[in-house]
Amino acid sequence: DIQMTQSPASLPASVGDRVTITCRTSHSINTYINWYQQKPGKAPKLLVYSASNLPSGVPSRFSGSGFGTDFNLTISSLQREDFATYYCQQSYSTPPFGQGTKVEI
Amino acid sequence: EVQLVESGGGLVQPGRSLRLSCAASGFIFDNSAMHWVRQAPGKGLEWVSGISWNSGSIGYADSVRGRFTISRDNARNSLYLQMNSLRAEDTALYYCAKNMSPYCGGDCRPNAVDHWGQGTLVTVSS
Repeated sequence: DIQMTQSPASLPASVGDRVTITCRTSHSINTYINWYQQKPGKAPKLLVYSASNLPSGVPSRFSGSGFGTDFNLTISSLQREDFATYYCQQSYSTPPFGQGTKVEI
Repeated sequence: EVQLVESGGGLVQPGRSLRLSCAASGFIFDNSAMHWVRQAPGKGLEWVSGISWNSGSIGYADSVRGRFTISRDNARNSLYLQMNSLRAEDTALYYCAKNMSPYCGGDCRPNAVDHWGQGTLVTVSS
């Protein structure tokens, strides 16, 4: 089974900061990783798919990178509406979702 | 516009059953695998079950295998989750979720979920 670790669990930040969230897997998953944003009381939203692709409508300050076992979600300049919890997700093993990273002020 | 509307949640005693439904619209339903994902209060996302476009591939999380059954009716654009032998730890908000492709990942885990419903709350308590 593939183990996935998401870090950090909590990320204090300020508006304008560049922030990076990491997911690491125990074995290569190629680029089969996705990232979601969830705001309190709302359903998750797909931010990045297949490691680096942004769905239509996702702001360009979000980017994804990585291949194999190490993956990053980067927000180039944090906006107030970006304070939320972020999850990575892979399809190789259960559980598919990471533990979550809460980006907070 | 893609819409996923869950129903069927509520308060149920431990050991009893509940059936969740998800009504889909705004996309070609049988072009997408579908999933149920849950979130316990204050906790993270937990994938529960997935089903491919033609029901040919189905998968479950270990925590629900043997108790929950996923199904779909493409003619009715609907997804279902039959939940039996419910436990307190099944208490959660249950989301209906649309896979980006007709096919699932391994054991029908999500590839990428591009649309989510608003969820239906299941509370298991005596």
